[in-house]
Amino acid sequence: DAKTTQPNSMESNEEEPVHLPCNHSTISGTDYIHWYRQLPSQGPEYVIHGLTSNVNNRMASLAIAEDRKSSTLILHRATLRDAAVYYCILRDVMKTSYDKVIFGPGTSLSVIP
Amino acid sequence: EAGVAQSPRYKIIEKRQSVAFWCNPISGHATLYWYQQILGQGPKLLIQFQNNGVVDDSQLPKDRFSAERLKGVDSTLKIQPAKLEDSAVYLCASSFFKREGGDTQYFGPGTRLTVL
Repeated sequence: DAKTTQPNSMESNEEEPVHLPCNHSTISGTDYIHWYRQLPSQGPEYVIHGLTSNVNNRMASLAIAEDRKSSTLILHRATLRDAAVYYCILRDVMKTSYDKVIFGPGTSLSVIP
Repeated sequence: EAGVAQSPRYKIIEKRQSVAFWCNPISGHATLYWYQQILGQGPKLLIQFQNNGVVDDSQLPKDRFSAERLKGVDSTLKIQPAKLEDSAVYLCASSFFKREGGDTQYFGPGTRLTVL
């Protein structure tokens, strides 16, 4: 299974943009890039996903490198509520009928008021 | 729409005792997952059901852990007997179907288990 690498922790000031990087140098052509986040004392929640093109939704933007070996989750204006652990996950939906979601340790984001 | 429900939220037991966790997925979700999350780590998949059939239990310690999903809806996860290293948060998640790019998993709040 292709692996992802993320920094252990990052800090951001409130109301400033945050760029959370993820490296996935062994990504295959059929791997989708998914991001989840986990707020304190809660289960993870879906944020965004993409294949090749950049993606935007109400929560965040996902920028995918042209060679797809890295991606960046962008929070346009960090709020205190965005303090969470962010997980970057690869999903190979073509590999088997039921692909396994493998969570790494993620990036712990702190937001400073 | 109601989310994934789990109970209990907290459980404290002595080692070698038994414990059971319950999960009610989002209505209509055919796929159900149980994860174990040890403090400071990402969730680890224990077992995945499609309706009431098991599709992946490769990381389930079958000598002490068991899970069932009767009628393809609710699910229970049991530990018997518990060990100290089973102290963790047990998360249940469900998903609707495998849309393009992979299904979205919806997680419950988890059950925090402490084994003394």
